[in-house]
Amino acid sequence: GQQVMQIPQYQHVQEGEDFTTYCNSSTTLSNIQWYKQRPGGHPVFLIQLVKSGEVKKQKRLTFQFGEAKKNSSLHITATQTTDVGTYFCAGHQGGSEKLVFGKGTKLTVNP
Amino acid sequence: DTGVSQNPRHKITKRGQNVTFRCDPISEHNRLYWYRQTLGQGPEFLTYFQNEAQLEKSRLLSDRFSAERPKGSFSTLEIQRTEQGDSAMYLCASSLQAGITEAFFGQGTRLTVV
Repeated sequence: GQQVMQIPQYQHVQEGEDFTTYCNSSTTLSNIQWYKQRPGGHPVFLIQLVKSGEVKKQKRLTFQFGEAKKNSSLHITATQTTDVGTYFCAGHQGGSEKLVFGKGTKLTVNP
Repeated sequence: DTGVSQNPRHKITKRGQNVTFRCDPISEHNRLYWYRQTLGQGPEFLTYFQNEAQLEKSRLLSDRFSAERPKGSFSTLEIQRTEQGDSAMYLCASSLQAGITEAFFGQGTRLTVV
């Protein structure tokens, strides 16, 4: 079945450093979505990418979708303590409504 | 608050008991999803409804699990004869329109089976 893998599992950075998490799917995805989950909270939607090679930016966050629509990345420039949380990628395959999540990357930021 | 609402927030039950959780989606959303999340893992898909129809169900879902959405509004997830391995956060999410779109998650119900 479809699997979505994320690396790294954990990332500790100093405030102001950059952060990147990578997502890889075993199958071609219809889209890729990114969610953020704060400690003790629930996943909150950040963005969706649909097109091959698509790049989207949200302030300090840059999201990319690979040309083959099998991989994606999230890059945060100059991290802040408010960026703390677990970042999940999730994707749909074909016409399925099943959104398959990766295991997430837990980001901690030292002030 | 017009977000996704889940009740109860926490449930502790003895092994072998049945439990039922409720999810109230955002009112105009016709799609509703149930996920399960354990510590250190991403949400795992359980099932999904479009209005009152259950259109997809995970093959990993035991026969002890059943979900309903009788009038296409709120949904319930029942677990029969609970086992310790059922301990997890059960998340409900809803989305507005057909096709692929963002999911709005509720706060979840944390189940502990003792």
